[in-house]
Amino acid sequence: SAVISQKPSRDICQRGTSLTIQCQVDSQVTMMFWYRQQPGQSLTLIATANQGSEATYESGFVIDKFPISRPNLTFSTLTVSNMSPEDSSIYLCSVAPTGTTVYEQYFGPGTRLTVT
Amino acid sequence: LAKTTQPISMDSYEGQEVNITCSHNNIATNDYITWYQQFPSQGPRFIIQGYKTKVTNEVASLFIPADRKSSTLSLPRVSLSDTAVYYCLVGPSGGGADGLTFGKGTHLIIQP
Repeated sequence: SAVISQKPSRDICQRGTSLTIQCQVDSQVTMMFWYRQQPGQSLTLIATANQGSEATYESGFVIDKFPISRPNLTFSTLTVSNMSPEDSSIYLCSVAPTGTTVYEQYFGPGTRLTVT
Repeated sequence: LAKTTQPISMDSYEGQEVNITCSHNNIATNDYITWYQQFPSQGPRFIIQGYKTKVTNEVASLFIPADRKSSTLSLPRVSLSDTAVYYCLVGPSGGGADGLTFGKGTHLIIQP
């Protein structure tokens, strides 16, 4: 398993601004993922962020809106750009530790974002 | 990717065994079956993963019939703290997470 922390845990932001969410892992992992979960809904995968390569975005998500950095094997950031109230959601990062399948993921506590 | 179908909600009582079934009729040969648990205001927690027959750990058991078109997560002697949403996922062990989908999950409510 892996221990994941996220910063901030929550934030309230004004529309048109950007927020960068940090994800820190206690061990080196190749595969990291970013998800969005709207209240009462299931999780939606935003992108896969593997160290040493460009992030891979799922359908409906674009780099200009959700730029991702992955500078090393224990850290990643997700930026929510030019926010609107529709971006209000919980953003989660996860990792698939080395030696496990990509479907065995360990999640951070999430960042609750409210856009006003 | 194999689509999964689970009951939207289930109720049970403390001390009972709870079985949650997931249907995945078009599961592929290299797909694994994975279950997660999510409490309110927390990220999902990996519970168990299997490919065929039976897998057991300290939390749950996973039963997979020979045709692998369904699977059952079994929670022994549940308590109030097992109230959560349970997600069934099906996908390949290797490669990327392209199209990885959590689905709506099963809302399990345990009553005293």
